[in-house]
Amino acid sequence: QKEVEQDPGPLSVPEGAIVSLNCTYSNSAFQYFMWYRQYSRKGPELLMYTYSSGNKEDGRFTAQVDKSSKYISLFIRDSQPSDSATYLCVLGDGDTGNQFYFGTGTSLTVIP
Amino acid sequence: GAGVSQSPSNKVTEKGKDVELRCDPISGHTALYWYRQSLGQGLEFLIYFQGNSAPDKSGLPSDRFSAERTGGSVSTLTIQRTQQEDSAVYLCASSLYEGKNIQYFGAGTRLSVL
Repeated sequence: QKEVEQDPGPLSVPEGAIVSLNCTYSNSAFQYFMWYRQYSRKGPELLMYTYSSGNKEDGRFTAQVDKSSKYISLFIRDSQPSDSATYLCVLGDGDTGNQFYFGTGTSLTVIP
Repeated sequence: GAGVSQSPSNKVTEKGKDVELRCDPISGHTALYWYRQSLGQGLEFLIYFQGNSAPDKSGLPSDRFSAERTGGSVSTLTIQRTQQEDSAVYLCASSLYEGKNIQYFGAGTRLSVL
């Protein structure tokens, strides 16, 4: 079993839809939860960072962490064509040097 | 300030040739990571440098792969005797390692082995 599981999609939604992206994990030691966005032929860029259970909101984006269920989500409200990208969940345990664990990424297309 | 810089952005080489990929991390970042991203695959960890500590090479797929980090800054990933299966995007990331530990990625080097 992988440390982090993420549905690769692809996911296609109409403009204005609410998008839900999810990851599950198995290691309860994870302390940091991040979402990166990667446009085609670009490097991943940090979108959201949380280190506790609950919700964190930034504009149209909401990151949700449920440590008891080992489940994290990224919600995108009023999705735009510019949101079309691959979204990676990245988890960190903070205890080892190489401390980042990646989901495989979900490919999202927002159709105008 | 400047982000993580990688060069070249694209590299086409012939099977059997050696290639060098360069990563210039964000100034002051002590941790540096190399990853490989193949089409339809997630990020595959290759190697990790932290300060003056011995690098974590546990992700290098074969002895054809090696990496150096000179002066705690610039890093070079070398692939010897390239094979077609080495074709991928090679991503470099750096982080402060302390406090809010977040990785910042470069744009990657797209390697094509013919």
